[in-house]
Amino acid sequence: NAGVTQTPKFQVLKTGQSMTLQCAQDMNHEYMSWYRQDPGMGLRLIHYSVGAGITDQGEVPNGYNVSRSTTEDFPLRLLSAAPSQTSVYFCASSLDGSSSYEQYFGPGTRLTVT
Amino acid sequence: QKEVEQDPGPLSVPEGAIVSLNCTYSNSAFQYFMWYRQYSRKGPELLMYTYSSGNKEDGRFTAQVDKSSKYISLFIRDSQPSDSATYLCAMTPHNTNAGKSTFGDGTTLTVKP
Repeated sequence: NAGVTQTPKFQVLKTGQSMTLQCAQDMNHEYMSWYRQDPGMGLRLIHYSVGAGITDQGEVPNGYNVSRSTTEDFPLRLLSAAPSQTSVYFCASSLDGSSSYEQYFGPGTRLTVT
Repeated sequence: QKEVEQDPGPLSVPEGAIVSLNCTYSNSAFQYFMWYRQYSRKGPELLMYTYSSGNKEDGRFTAQVDKSSKYISLFIRDSQPSDSATYLCAMTPHNTNAGKSTFGDGTTLTVKP
């Protein structure tokens, strides 16, 4: 199993550009989440999904969209990038509701918005 | 005020020392308490989790939860240079809360040979 994979690893955007961060997992996990991590700060939840076709907002959803058409994939879209979105983005998955406290994280995408 | 406060560090100790990492929280609904380890430029990985109050031991690592004080700790015995990482505490009210865990800001630990 590859676990949770994220692409790209690094990205530089100009203000106003849009892009999609990809996340995939091959563990047949129901739950998937997107977090951002800023220097010296913990992880803040952006959006999460409890299954294909079901998504909900987390703590910091503004400026981001998600959809989940398959169990495996959970892409994060930046609609119009802003410098405040410079961060490291982590995707995570967990098996299901009985063990959602155990999350598996991807390696992260480092995004810089200029 | 944040729901979860973590001792900020950074922490630097000699090899073999006992390390104590701590978090306090304000939400009495939290029931699951996790510790994640994050190496530089990597994603976090789950070290241990504890349900409700009590202790849990796994090798050199011991997690403690005191719900009456809203205080959790992670102890590392006989610390090794390979333990150098950032440690994040996380909490959630129940196991069905998916990725809605609340994380502390992390404590960076360096273990010097």
